[in-house]
Amino acid sequence: DQQVKQNSPSLSVQEGRISILNCDYTNSMFDYFLWYKKYPAEGPTFLISISSIKDKNEDGRFTVFLNKSAKHLSLHIVPSQPGDSAVYFCAASLTGANSKLTFGKGITLSVRP
Amino acid sequence: KAGVTQTPRYLIKTRGQQVTLSCSPISGHRSVSWYQQTPGQGLQFLFEYFSETQRNKGNFPGRFSGRQFSNSRSEMNVSTLELGDSALYLCASSGSTSGRVTDTQYFGPGTRLTVL
Repeated sequence: DQQVKQNSPSLSVQEGRISILNCDYTNSMFDYFLWYKKYPAEGPTFLISISSIKDKNEDGRFTVFLNKSAKHLSLHIVPSQPGDSAVYFCAASLTGANSKLTFGKGITLSVRP
Repeated sequence: KAGVTQTPRYLIKTRGQQVTLSCSPISGHRSVSWYQQTPGQGLQFLFEYFSETQRNKGNFPGRFSGRQFSNSRSEMNVSTLELGDSALYLCASSGSTSGRVTDTQYFGPGTRLTVL
């Protein structure tokens, strides 16, 4: 049973426009959420995170929104750049000790010049 | 500071064989986690080691095992390989001592295992 779902396998946007990547989760106990970005032949790199006590966290061009009632989070990239083209993984966890990350399957973002 | 390194980068094995993958964490990091990445399942957590002890474990069969050495380097072993074990195996290290996921994990480039 996939507890973290990224239902759209791919997204293509024009450079300069907004990219919105969506993620849904089923376990209401999750209270910490992260986004990772992965380029081919490299490991994932941490992008941004959000705790369930917040509904928004911003870091430069990247903003993550959390809707706990809908069990939904989204990553907004504004403006999108060609270098943002990568696979984006959503992950969720409990914040307690000895917790583990549960990842989604990833979304491939392509930013067209 | 050097990043997480994994060896080998590519590996081809046949069904029934066993394989050992190696991971060297970032200097000073004592937590090492292993993940399996496949197109169908995405990234799945295998296990985490801290100070030579397995601290957390995912839902994988006993054919998947690991260990950690006193210098924090870790190895992962898969016995009796199956075709479905073909995947990218990623290792991540963290400076966390508590095991909390709020401490950032740094991933290596992975080992691409192909089982024929």
